[in-house]
Amino acid sequence: AQSVTQPDIHITVSEGASLELRCNYSYGATPYLFWYVQSPGQGLQLLLKYFSGDTLVQGIKGFEAEFKRSQSSFNLRKPSVHWSDAAEYFCAVGPTGTASKLTFGTGTRLQVTL
Amino acid sequence: EAGVAQSPRYKIIEKRQSVAFWCNPISGHATLYWYQQILGQGPKLLIQFQNNGVVDDSQLPKDRFSAERLKGVDSTLKIQPAKLEDSAVYLCASSLSLAGGQETQYFGPGTRLLVL
Repeated sequence: AQSVTQPDIHITVSEGASLELRCNYSYGATPYLFWYVQSPGQGLQLLLKYFSGDTLVQGIKGFEAEFKRSQSSFNLRKPSVHWSDAAEYFCAVGPTGTASKLTFGTGTRLQVTL
Repeated sequence: EAGVAQSPRYKIIEKRQSVAFWCNPISGHATLYWYQQILGQGPKLLIQFQNNGVVDDSQLPKDRFSAERLKGVDSTLKIQPAKLEDSAVYLCASSLSLAGGQETQYFGPGTRLLVL
């Protein structure tokens, strides 16, 4: 069965500082990997996704993520955080094949201090 | 392009009462999903429709939860009777098709349910 671990429940960074959110997955083969962001009272918005090819994926809002097969990781990064990035971030894994069932991690809440 | 619409946005009920949530996906999206997001957890898939057929309902508590998508467009999720542990945000999402998992899922704002 597929699973996702986000080891950091809560992270605080200063505005302008760099950010890295960790995500580890468990899946028998190379999965499809996603990062979503959820602002308070909002639904989830897709930041980026990895299916195959280049292991460094660029997303919206200046985010990027790197797929590392050897570490079963898909960490999300941003070089300079803005106050508006404060939100909850979810990593998700989906199986390759005909189904599209996503399994989400428990999320990391990002707080940005000014 | 209009996003995924959900109503109501908030609902407070007492345990053992019934409640229904409505979702209208993005126009043209064949696949519709209902997720349950309990506080402090990630969303968990309850049921997945392709047009008006159920693809996956393995995590739907069928003794109390039901869902339908009769005309392959909008969908209703019902809980009857509700329990305290059903307090959560219920998210609806849609995607263009199943397409081997590559399709992006677009989420609605969710319905926040509180069961007292």
